Amino acid sequence: GQNIDQPTEMTATEGAIVQINCTYQTSGFNGLFWYQQHAGEAPTFLSYNVLDGLEEKGRFSSFLSRSKGYSYLLLKELQMKDSASYLCAVRDSNYQLIWGAGTKLIIKP
Amino acid sequence: DVKVTQSSRYLVKRTGEKVFLECVQDMDHENMFWYRQDPGLGLRLIYFSYDVKMKEKGDIPEGYSVSREKKERFSLILESASTNQTSMYLCASSSQPSGSGANVLTFGAGSRLTVL
Repeated sequence: GQNIDQPTEMTATEGAIVQINCTYQTSGFNGLFWYQQHAGEAPTFLSYNVLDGLEEKGRFSSFLSRSKGYSYLLLKELQMKDSASYLCAVRDSNYQLIWGAGTKLIIKP
Repeated sequence: DVKVTQSSRYLVKRTGEKVFLECVQDMDHENMFWYRQDPGLGLRLIYFSYDVKMKEKGDIPEGYSVSREKKERFSLILESASTNQTSMYLCASSSQPSGSGANVLTFGAGSRLTVL
């Protein structure tokens, strides 16, 4: 079957760096997405990786290794507003999105 | 500011009732989707539509139906609500063909349905 694994919950300190990992086993690969979802709100798009390597966008970076079935989202200079759930999703060979259960990130002062 | 609007944020219904969840987008997107979100599980696709009057089953269509009479509106219907349909329902839309580029989804804020 198809599977996306990410940690259920992580805690980090304001101003620090945190890395949220995502591993996947899917039938085919046509891109990996990260979305951010604040409690009670809509998920919003953060990043998209289709080739191996690092994509940087301000304080957020996303890395992909297709051979390892692995991605991570790196958040730098953490702010309290970064407290949210982070959803990893992979588009499979049928161009359907397979979603992880999400990682709840708690930022402490 | 682009928007996907879900008409009801919170609903409480009784078992056996018919439930309508409405979703409207103002971005002229071709593609629209209904997901449900449950604790500890990834988003699960219920139905999607790539064009007006067109619909396709997702991973968990049982107990649901949809309607897309206009491009901007995609409705999810629970013909006879059951307690296991208590969930958060998320509507989303996108503009590009599914195999093209990032094809980013824009989500609504969700409709939390409780079935008693």
